[in-house]
Amino acid sequence: DTAVSQTPKYLVTQMGNDKSIKCEQNLGHDTMYWYKQDSKKFLKIMFSYNNKELIINETVPNRFSPKSPDKAHLNLHINSLELGDSAVYFCASSQLTSSTDTQYFGPGTRLTVL
Amino acid sequence: EDKVVQSPLSLVVHEGDTVTLNCSYEVTNFRSLLWYKQEKKAPTFLFMLTSSGIEKKSGRLSSILDKKELFSILNITATQTGDSAIYLCAVYSAGKSTFGDGTTLTVKP
Repeated sequence: DTAVSQTPKYLVTQMGNDKSIKCEQNLGHDTMYWYKQDSKKFLKIMFSYNNKELIINETVPNRFSPKSPDKAHLNLHINSLELGDSAVYFCASSQLTSSTDTQYFGPGTRLTVL
Repeated sequence: EDKVVQSPLSLVVHEGDTVTLNCSYEVTNFRSLLWYKQEKKAPTFLFMLTSSGIEKKSGRLSSILDKKELFSILNITATQTGDSAIYLCAVYSAGKSTFGDGTTLTVKP
């Protein structure tokens, strides 16, 4: 069973569209994350979220919004897509109350904005 | 602002060589430092370090943390072509994580 799953794997869309990427974890973790990895392979955190707190990286445009219907899901919604949004987006989860900070990553979603 | 700096940014070696990857950090409320390996897909966990001077070891890989000088190193001995990857260092502080830009290691046959 996949621990952290993301859909879709690939997403190709036009500038200006609104799109969502879904993430689900079956590890029972209390915290989930979204990362963006650009073409230079730099991994940057966008959001971390648990049922108590949403922490937003202040450099993330407000066109990006995380939505969590329940503890096992953290979806990423992007409004008015721009060319510069093209990247691989990784979801991850961890259990902050455990003795380890290990994050488990999903397989990634490659977003291409045309 | 929290900062994590990895060096070198890229490294090319031959099979059998030993490499040392560096990670220095400046964060408030340090909690732990983690190393990840990323090949073609998502990052995978290597080590978590919370205490100074205690070496973590897994096969040919080892890592150690110096909380006084605020850095960690990742050693890989007898490198193999399968070690080619991006190695990411991440520091966890209260409520957030900061990743370095990674070191791209290429091991040639």
